[in-house]
Amino acid sequence: QSVLTQPPSVSGAPGQRVTISCTGSSSNIGAGYDVQWYQQLPGTAPKLLIYDNNNRPSVVPDRFSGSKSGTSASLAITGLQAEDEAEYYCQSYDSSLSGFVIFGGGTKLTVL
Amino acid sequence: EVQLVESGGGLVQPGRSLRLSCAAAGLTLNDYAIHWVRQAPGKGLEWVSGISWNSGSIGYADSVKGRFTISRDNAKNSVYLQMNSLRAEDTAFYYCAKGQGRWLQLTVTYFDTWGQGTLVIVSS
Repeated sequence: QSVLTQPPSVSGAPGQRVTISCTGSSSNIGAGYDVQWYQQLPGTAPKLLIYDNNNRPSVVPDRFSGSKSGTSASLAITGLQAEDEAEYYCQSYDSSLSGFVIFGGGTKLTVL
Repeated sequence: EVQLVESGGGLVQPGRSLRLSCAAAGLTLNDYAIHWVRQAPGKGLEWVSGISWNSGSIGYADSVKGRFTISRDNAKNSVYLQMNSLRAEDTAFYYCAKGQGRWLQLTVTYFDTWGQGTLVIVSS
C-alpha cells in the first residue's frame, strides 16, 4: 500500500482531457513538500514529466500540467494522444518514521 | 546525449550478494547526487538509496538499511550499490537516477535522468 494514493486506471479518447489524482496526508503533500510526476512507457524507464508541483522540463509538451492543493496533487493531460498511453507516478517526500522519498502506486492511462 | 547505464544485475540465491554499477555518458556524475530506485516486475517504484556528490550524505530506505551500501568513485564517474543478504522481495529492476543537484536533499529531490535499469532476480 503506497503512502500516496493514485487511481489504478484512467482512460480517455484522443483529444480529450484527463486528470490523475495523487492523494497524500499531513506528513507529505499536506506538509508542503513538492510533488513530481513521471511517465513510464511500456518496457522503458520512467521519465520526469513535472517537477516542483507545476514545472515542466523543456522537452515535455505543454499539454502536461501539474497542480497541488492541500493534501493532494493532480496531473492534467490535454489533447490526449495515443502516445500518452503509459503508467504515471507521483512522487514526494514523507516526514514520518517510515518516510523519505515516496511514490504513488501508479496510474495506467489508456487512450481509447 | 546524457545517458546513465546500469550493470551487474542477474540471478542470485537468497542470502547472497550482488554489486550494481551505474556509469554515465555525456554527463559528469561527480556534480550530482545519484539515487537508486527499484521496481518489482509489474509493480510500482520504490526509492532505495541516494548519495551526495562527495559521499558526505547517504540515505537508505528502511527496507534495505543494514543490507545495502551505496558508494561512488568520482574518478571513475560511477556509482555502486552493494547488496548483501538478498531476499526474494529484492527482486526488481534497479534504476540509477540523477538528482537535480549536488546535495542529498531528500525533502526536495526529484530524478531528472534515469538509466535503462538492470534486473535482479533473487531465487533459489
